[in-house]
Amino acid sequence: EIVLTQSPGTLSLSPGERATLSCRAGQSVYSNYLAWYQQKPGQAPRLLIYDASSRATGIPDRFSGGGSGTDFSLTISRLEPEDFAVYYCQQYGSSPWTFGQGTKVEIK
Amino acid sequence: QVQLVQSGAEVKKPGSSVKVSCKASGGTVSNYAISWVRQAPGQGLEWVGGIIPRLPIPSYTQKFQDRVTISADESTSTVYMELSSLKSEDTAIYYCAAGWYYNDPEDNRHYYMGVWGKGTTVTVSS
Repeated sequence: EIVLTQSPGTLSLSPGERATLSCRAGQSVYSNYLAWYQQKPGQAPRLLIYDASSRATGIPDRFSGGGSGTDFSLTISRLEPEDFAVYYCQQYGSSPWTFGQGTKVEIK
Repeated sequence: QVQLVQSGAEVKKPGSSVKVSCKASGGTVSNYAISWVRQAPGQGLEWVGGIIPRLPIPSYTQKFQDRVTISADESTSTVYMELSSLKSEDTAIYYCAAGWYYNDPEDNRHYYMGVWGKGTTVTVSS
């Protein structure tokens, strides 16, 4: 199975700052089938990005995804108070689908 | 947009089984791939398996291969996940999630998780 490694484990930033999260795959992700999810405490995850760079319906354009092959990123251009959460990447190119361990974006 | 309604919390003894349901409203499960994802307390997300109801051959993570059964009832637009031989380590929130699926040239299916249920807490304790 494909192992996804996210970095950093925790990102401490202030509202208005730019956040860049990384997701590295142990092998190339077929057709760049990679998604990003946001999860807040006590809530189910929410899809942000699919196919590495396509924003899901209703997701603000401050969220953008990029990358290909084994290296992917999620960028939040200007952090809003509601963006402080845990973010997971997930690949669906090779079964079984796998998740990264998560990056927590916390208020500095 | 489809919404997913999951069954209620369960408390089970070690060695027993649990069956969790996930019913689609505002749409039919037949149009989607349905995944089951679990999250142990304080931990990350783990894909358990999934099914495309109109192609009813489920896929499972090898870790759960011998203990999990995912099935679908298109007539009621409901998907089920049954986990047997429960252990304390199976204590988790179990989410169902729906997504569109793609076919590749080798007839494999690929799908992400676009709509999530609220989760079902399964507690395994003696």
